[in-house]
Amino acid sequence: LAKTTQPISMDSYEGQEVNITCSHNNIATNDYITWYQQFPSQGPRFIIQGYKTKVTNEVASLFIPADRKSSTLSLPRVSLSDTAVYYCLVGDGAAGNKLTFGGGTRVLVKP
Amino acid sequence: KAGVTQTPRYLIKTRGQQVTLSCSPISGHRSVSWYQQTPGQGLQFLFEYFSETQRNKGNFPGRFSGRQFSNSRSEMNVSTLELGDSALYLCASSFWTAGMNTEAFFGQGTRLTVV
Repeated sequence: LAKTTQPISMDSYEGQEVNITCSHNNIATNDYITWYQQFPSQGPRFIIQGYKTKVTNEVASLFIPADRKSSTLSLPRVSLSDTAVYYCLVGDGAAGNKLTFGGGTRVLVKP
Repeated sequence: KAGVTQTPRYLIKTRGQQVTLSCSPISGHRSVSWYQQTPGQGLQFLFEYFSETQRNKGNFPGRFSGRQFSNSRSEMNVSTLELGDSALYLCASSFWTAGMNTEAFFGQGTRLTVV
């Protein structure tokens, strides 16, 4: 399984855009990149998934360069409720749903 | 549709006892995975069940076991509890299909405290 590296923490302010970069140098050809969000004492929640280039949904965008060795989760115009831990995961799911979580990035949104 | 339901939400047990946690997946989901979350070790994969069979297993001692029923509901059991087993236990279900990396839906978790 490809190992991921992301910043331990980030601070931001309401209304700003938050970009979290994840490194995954050993990503395999069949691997997808998935981001989850977790609030305290709750289970993680799927945010977005991509394979290459750019993916956008109603809550975030995911940018993946051509070499796929990193990815950037972009949260537009964050609010206080976006304060959470964000996890970057890499895998192909072929053998089932065995998610390998790293340390995640703790994002604190300030007023 | 209803989400993943875990019961109980909170549990206090004494060292040496055993505990059974329950997880009801989203209707139609056949894959159920279990995770342990602690401040020190983070989120760690325990095992995954698919169609009543354990398909993947994490690096946990044999005291941790699980099973899945024909309706996809799953239980995990921890025997001979240790203080270090205190954690948030999370269950996730997904509509897994071979060759796809499907979204996992997590429950609220069961907070187990061992005293």
